[in-house]
Amino acid sequence: SQQGEEDPQALSIQEGENATMNCSYKTSINNLQWYRQNSGRGLVHLILIRSNEREKHSGRLRVTLDTSKKSSSLLITASRAADTASYFCATGDQGAQKLVFGQGTRLTINP
Amino acid sequence: DAGITQSPRHKVTETGTPVTLRCHQTENHRYMYWYRQDPGHGLRLIHYSYGVKDTDKGEVSDGYSVSRSKTEDFLLTLESATSSQTSVYFCAISPGTGLTGELFFGEGSRLTVL
Repeated sequence: SQQGEEDPQALSIQEGENATMNCSYKTSINNLQWYRQNSGRGLVHLILIRSNEREKHSGRLRVTLDTSKKSSSLLITASRAADTASYFCATGDQGAQKLVFGQGTRLTINP
Repeated sequence: DAGITQSPRHKVTETGTPVTLRCHQTENHRYMYWYRQDPGHGLRLIHYSYGVKDTDKGEVSDGYSVSRSKTEDFLLTLESATSSQTSVYFCAISPGTGLTGELFFGEGSRLTVL
């Protein structure tokens, strides 16, 4: 069963704008991760945020985690055409000790 | 990029035939995983390995078997392929000590079962 649910399922914005994607989950987690997948390629790990962290940055990426609401957001600032991809959240399930992926948000950056 | 190679990258086969997908890593990581990716289901774990000859089932293991005789190789076998096993298969490795760490993925193997 899927735990991480991304929202929206698809997002289309203009180059230079910021893109925000959200992930909600149901159970207690060790960590939450975000991955990017370009069309026809494998997933690439972007960032991992632990359950005791609230915010993390990596370049143009900003991830927040609210364990009380069981939700996370991924913000991509100053988007570029190369950011066009699908983005997946994955939750490290604390009880089941496994990584559970959501179904992803398809992001399109229009030039 | 993590040194992960999957082969074959594309395969078309017929129902009832055996199929083996290979994952090869050059990172010497302990954990290796096989996932399948399907529209509407996201990524689902098939099997994983936590060492040579140490494997365990994931959430969708029926119809699949795995073997790991060397640290660097993790094989996924479909003993008798069915059309429901048409999918894109991803191998992943993890440098961590548990099953919730960050993963590094291969480029995928697209399997079509006719």
